[in-house]
Amino acid sequence: NAGVTQTPKFRVLKTGQSMTLLCAQDMNHEYMYWYRQDPGMGLRLIHYSVGEGTTAKGEVPDGYNVSRLKKQNFLLGLESAAPSQTSVYFCASSGQVTEAFFGQGTRLTVV
Amino acid sequence: AQTVTQSQPEMSVQEAETVTLSCTYDTSENNYYLFWYKQPPSRQMILVIRQEAYKQQNATENRFSVNFQKAAKSFSLKISDSQLGDTAMYFCAFMKALNTGTASKLTFGTGTRLQVTL
Repeated sequence: NAGVTQTPKFRVLKTGQSMTLLCAQDMNHEYMYWYRQDPGMGLRLIHYSVGEGTTAKGEVPDGYNVSRLKKQNFLLGLESAAPSQTSVYFCASSGQVTEAFFGQGTRLTVV
Repeated sequence: AQTVTQSQPEMSVQEAETVTLSCTYDTSENNYYLFWYKQPPSRQMILVIRQEAYKQQNATENRFSVNFQKAAKSFSLKISDSQLGDTAMYFCAFMKALNTGTASKLTFGTGTRLQVTL
């Protein structure tokens, strides 16, 4: 009964380093999303996918890339991390008429 | 574009009392969904309650109920018999009704931090 699983849970990066966050869901959901959460700003959509092989930009896409090579996985990449990308990142998935189910979040610090 | 406003950054309530969290939204859509999510210190996002805009009846889930006023674009959450475990950040969220191939993107408010005290 895993639902949505994110790895890693915590990460510290130096400015300019790259990394990939992995999201996996076992609910056969079509739609997947990456959000970031910052104090006082709620959650904001970075990128999303409506199906395998498709991706689209959300509200704050700059500095991030994504890929959905398999239906169950959605990867978020940071090519050159910046301190402004220090945040908590959430992955979520949903079906056609269901609410979103969230992963447990990844706390990323860029120093 | 949709916007969601939560005007109460922090609230406090005593155990066993009732508290209401406010949420207003702005949209030109007629068909949509509204949600309240709870985020405890564990950071997990937990769905509390969901309301379909086409339903006039207010949604309820045990101690949690909403007051949905579509014309006023208001969606408040009432927590009855508050418990210590209700201490969390609460987010109001909006989602357009889905068409085939349209992702159910959520627009969140900035959250209300609720503290339940003894």
